[in-house]
Amino acid sequence: QVQLVQSGAEVKKPGASVKVSCKASGYTFTSYGISWVRQAPGQGLEWMGWISAYNGNTNYAQKLQGRVTMTTDTSTSTAYMELRSLRSDDTAVYYCARIGMGAEYDYWGQGTLVTVSS
Amino acid sequence: EIVLTQSPGTLSLSPGERATLSCRASQSVSSSYLAWYQQKPGQAPRLLIYGASSRATGIPDRFSGSGSGTDFTLTISRLEPEDFAVYYCQQYGSSPNTFGQGTKLEIK
Repeated sequence: QVQLVQSGAEVKKPGASVKVSCKASGYTFTSYGISWVRQAPGQGLEWMGWISAYNGNTNYAQKLQGRVTMTTDTSTSTAYMELRSLRSDDTAVYYCARIGMGAEYDYWGQGTLVTVSS
Repeated sequence: EIVLTQSPGTLSLSPGERATLSCRASQSVSSSYLAWYQQKPGQAPRLLIYGASSRATGIPDRFSGSGSGTDFTLTISRLEPEDFAVYYCQQYGSSPNTFGQGTKLEIK
């Protein structure tokens, strides 16, 4: 069965960086893309961008351009999302999601809480 | 950027009743690339509907989606206790992919 398992919660200081991992299993990793979505406490879902696991092509949300980098390691079927220059409003649960054949987000990771606090 | 507006913000209904949730887009959603997700507290979103009207794997047939262009609807024909949650629509036909602000379905 398809599973996306994310790394554990992180606490970071403002200005630091965080790198969240998303390990995929149960399907051919390079046949699907991975998207990243975040959710601030008590708020809705915010799209961050996506990466093709086939060729590494990326597309980032404009507001995060220059601070976010998405990568994949096909040898371990793992996707990564790094966010730099963290601010308090980056505090959120970060989700990875598989981009299905029709481009819908068909499977999601369990989420990783990133807390930015001095 | 396509802005999705969901209504109502909160819907209070009883088990067994019919729920109708709306999602309106600021411009036409290409090829009906519109999805609906359900999210319960402390859980990740779960895909319910994609392509505006196709049910995802394992989703009960009491959930149905309809619409095209700028107006979309999620209908739950007879509410079960486990259906009370927050529902989000999402368009994935153009970049950036965007989500609606959510509709909270609560027990009356």
